[in-house]
Amino acid sequence: KAGVTQTPRYLIKTRGQQVTLSCSPISGHRSVSWYQQTPGQGLQFLFEYFSETQRNKGNFPGRFSGRQFSNSRSEMNVSTLELGDSALYLCASSTLHRGRRTEAFFGQGTRLTVV
Amino acid sequence: KNEVEQSPQNLTAQEGEFITINCSYSVGISALHWLQQHPGGGIVSLFMLSSGKKKHGRLIATINIQEKHSSLHITASHPRDSAVYICATRTGNQFYFGTGTSLTVIP
Repeated sequence: KAGVTQTPRYLIKTRGQQVTLSCSPISGHRSVSWYQQTPGQGLQFLFEYFSETQRNKGNFPGRFSGRQFSNSRSEMNVSTLELGDSALYLCASSTLHRGRRTEAFFGQGTRLTVV
Repeated sequence: KNEVEQSPQNLTAQEGEFITINCSYSVGISALHWLQQHPGGGIVSLFMLSSGKKKHGRLIATINIQEKHSSLHITASHPRDSAVYICATRTGNQFYFGTGTSLTVIP
């Protein structure tokens, strides 16, 4: 089956703009989680969606938001971009099987550069 | 918050060597993941562990819940194993990540 698909792969935006990133999970997976990776901070958890509901949120400002659609595809939005938002944004999909979370599969990421 | 520490940060090995990467964490977890990241960014989940030991090909992952410690072993290392290996813990719905171990295997 197809893996986790993130679009676009690369993006350049200017400060103050907003950006929307997309993540299509593996078919049948209902959980999508988002992560930010920067050289200075490493990987950090942004938020997780399950069945269209945000289940948990990391320690990021309100400029970072997301949503999940009924087909489990998820979007992440960053408003009023700052230079420090330049990072690799990764999403991962998983699901629950008999009440236990399955292994997470990661996408290739979207590399966002803010200039 | 779960403090996740990995060691070593950088590792250079000769092809064929046995490699061990360690991960320690500070609070109880529901699962621990070992991830592999190649240049270019894509991450592959190697293992998800909640207890004991798992093996996949030349890779072995172990976890000791009481000691809050996990190890990733690579037997007969190969240059294609060169990557960053990241330990990630899951506590409830939160993920915490180690800073990664950059492995270079020299032919």
